[in-house]
Amino acid sequence: EDKVVQSPLSLVVHEGDTVTLNCSYEVTNFRSLLWYKQEKKAPTFLFMLTSSGIEKKSGRLSSILDKKELSSILNITATQTGDSAIYLCADYQGGKLIFGQGTELSVKP
Amino acid sequence: SQTIHQWPATLVQPVGSPLSLECTVEGTSNPNLYWYRQAAGRGLQLLFYSVGIGQISSEVPQNLSASRPQDRQFILSSKKLLLSDSGFYLCAWSGNYNEQFFGPGTRLTVL
Repeated sequence: EDKVVQSPLSLVVHEGDTVTLNCSYEVTNFRSLLWYKQEKKAPTFLFMLTSSGIEKKSGRLSSILDKKELSSILNITATQTGDSAIYLCADYQGGKLIFGQGTELSVKP
Repeated sequence: SQTIHQWPATLVQPVGSPLSLECTVEGTSNPNLYWYRQAAGRGLQLLFYSVGIGQISSEVPQNLSASRPQDRQFILSSKKLLLSDSGFYLCAWSGNYNEQFFGPGTRLTVL
């Protein structure tokens, strides 16, 4: 059965810190891995990764996929309180997304 | 541009009562549609998905059912709610690519 595991499950940092969130997957026929940010309601799409070693970047957020290690990381530099959210990683499989448990990030002023 | 609507935003229902949650998508045709449940603010569990009118795939056996009576309408139902049905229900759509886009969600509390 396909599986996506995120770590840590929760994290508390101070503004200005840099954080790294991890996602590992055990899937057959990998196609793509997606990152979402969820604040109070709907998850919003951040990145989709299909190729190993190619960094995707959006402002202070970046993500990269390592197909050899079956993992991905999401980096957030110079964190702000507005980065506080649950970050979800998901594997795309046959039209469906299989989500990890999420990492709850709390950024303190 | 595409938008996705869900209603109601919150719902409190007694155990044993029926349920109907509605999701509609605008600005796209023939989308794939999905229902997820999220418990305790954690990962999303896929409940149902649909690739077309009347086509429903169930991922998890449970007390719920789904229907797609129109191309851009997806309904989640139950005949008799259980306490364990409480949670945050999210509808999502996808087009030709792998990204899914989520609606605002319905927070259901079963008492």
